[in-house]
Order: sequence, then C-alpha cells, then structure tokens
Amino acid sequence: AQSVTQPDIHITVSEGASLELRCNYSYGATPYLFWYVQSPGQGLQLLLKYFSGDTLVQGIKGFEAEFKRSQSSFNLRKPSVHWSDAAEYFCAVGAFSGNTGKLIFGQGTTLQVKP
Amino acid sequence: GAGVSQSPSNKVTEKGKDVELRCDPISGHTALYWYRQSLGQGLEFLIYFQGNSAPDKSGLPSDRFSAERTGGSVSTLTIQRTQQEDSAVYLCASSLLGGPNYGYTFGSGTRLTVV
Repeated sequence: AQSVTQPDIHITVSEGASLELRCNYSYGATPYLFWYVQSPGQGLQLLLKYFSGDTLVQGIKGFEAEFKRSQSSFNLRKPSVHWSDAAEYFCAVGAFSGNTGKLIFGQGTTLQVKP
Repeated sequence: GAGVSQSPSNKVTEKGKDVELRCDPISGHTALYWYRQSLGQGLEFLIYFQGNSAPDKSGLPSDRFSAERTGGSVSTLTIQRTQQEDSAVYLCASSLLGGPNYGYTFGSGTRLTVV
C-alpha cells in the first residue's frame, strides 16, 4: 500500500541554523514526490516536487530536497532557517494510475523557529 | 476565480445534523479533490472528481459522507448525521487536468466543529 511517513512530528531550530525534515515513502512504481507548507490559517503551498531526472530538486523560499531511491526517502533541507519558515510541512506522494490522481500525505512536521 | 474558494470558512453544528461544505475550484480545472485534516493528523484523501464523475471515492469514511460536482465546477461535500469525530478541517483542491504534471491549488478549508 502507498504511504508516507514523516518521523518527526515537531522540530525546533534556531533562526539561522540548518534544517532537515525527513520523509520516507512506500510506493510500488516510480514515485511523484512533493513537499507542501501550511502556515496557520492558510492553504497548502507547494515548495517543490520531484518527478524524474536530477535527484536534487530546488524549490521556493530556498528549500531543496533530495530523492534517494535506495532509502525511499525525500528529505527537505534549508541551509539557514528564517523565522517566517515556522509552519507545518507535509510530504506527499502522487498516486497517478488507473482512475485516481490523488496525493497521499504524511502526518506533517511542525517547525518552530527560535529567535 | 483566482483561487480555490471554500465556504463556509467555519461551521459549528450539533451532533446529528447534516452539513454541506462547498468548493468553488479555479475556472477550467477539471480535477477536484476533497481532503480531511484532523487535529494532529495529516491530510486524508476523501474523493477525486474528474469533471462531474468521481472515479475514486475510496477515501470516504462512511456512507454518511457524499459529494457531488455539477457543471464540472462547484462541488459540495455533504456529511449526514454528523458525529464528533467528523470535526476537522476539510480542504478542497483543484488541478487543471489532475495528472502529475499539473499543479494542485488548495483552498483555505472549512473548519467543521461538531458539538
């Protein structure tokens, strides 16, 4: 069955520090992978996506993610966190086959940024 | 419209009442999705529309939940005989065609509270 696991429910980092949010997926075919961010009271915003090609993908707001097939992982990274990055982050895998086109989300990681 | 619009933004209802949640997707988007986000949970897929038909209803949790889409545009999610466990944020998303190469735009959601 397709699934996404985000092992860290809550992470706190200091402003200016580096960040890595973990994501592991289970999917039988080549995965389509996404990272979304949700700020309080806001809808989900796409940070980046991976479909094929270069396994290191760049996104908006200085985020990047690396696809590692051998580890079934798609971890999100940022070299220097800003206070405005505090939000909830969701990893998702796209299930595009047959009659469905849904995204399967992880449970999310809440990022708190200390001044 | 410019984005995905959901109404109402907040809804408080008494246990046992029926509720209707509305989603107005981006004009021209053929694919529409409903998700549920419960406190501390990730986003749970409910149903996927392509045009007016729903080829994937696999996420609807019970027969109290139903959804329809008319004119390939507005969708309504109906929950009958609401229960307290139905309390959640219900998110709608639309996509131009629904495949992996097309982005998803999420609405800000309807927060449903069943008392």
